[in-house]
Amino acid sequence: AQSVTQLGSHVSVSEGALVLLRCNYSSSVPPYLFWYVQYPNQGLQLLLKYTSAATLVKGINGFEAEFKKSETSFHLTKPSAHMSDAAEYFCAVSKSGGSARQLTFGSGTQLTVLP
Amino acid sequence: DADVTQTPRNRITKTGKRIMLECSQTKGHDRMYWYRQDPGLGLRLIYYSFDVKDINKGEISDGYSVSRQAQAKFSLSLESAIPNQTALYFCATSGPTGDYGYTFGSGTRLTVV
Repeated sequence: AQSVTQLGSHVSVSEGALVLLRCNYSSSVPPYLFWYVQYPNQGLQLLLKYTSAATLVKGINGFEAEFKKSETSFHLTKPSAHMSDAAEYFCAVSKSGGSARQLTFGSGTQLTVLP
Repeated sequence: DADVTQTPRNRITKTGKRIMLECSQTKGHDRMYWYRQDPGLGLRLIYYSFDVKDINKGEISDGYSVSRQAQAKFSLSLESAIPNQTALYFCATSGPTGDYGYTFGSGTRLTVV
């Protein structure tokens, strides 16, 4: 079974600083990996996805993530945090192949951006 | 209009009451899902449906039931609500393989008192 672990339930950064949100996955087969963002009182919005193409994936709002098979990681980064990035971020994994693909979510990381 | 619409947005109900949460989507997708979100636990899958005649239990289906009334409609019922079902509920839809991620509704905040 696949799973994801998000290290750090809360992360605080200063505006303009680097954002690094950590995600490690466990999967017995090559995974598909996703990052979602949830703004207050809203549903989840897809930030970016890795589906076995390029290992460095660029998403919306300046975010990117790198798939590292050797480290089983898919960390989310943004060079310079903006106040509008404050939200909860979820990493998710699904198995590649087959028709029964479902997402398994991590427990989430709340990002606070300090002025 | 939103791609995935959930109603109601907020609901307070009493223990033992039956309640239905509704979801409709305009993406034209066959696959629909119900998730529950609790603080610190992320999202957990309750039920999913790959088409109108295909309904499957997720990891936390006890105490819940679903109905797929049409390709675009997927409702979640709590037959006899209990306080630990207080949570934020999300409906989602995806394409045939889920490769392009899911589209989520805005959620229903349910409180059982």
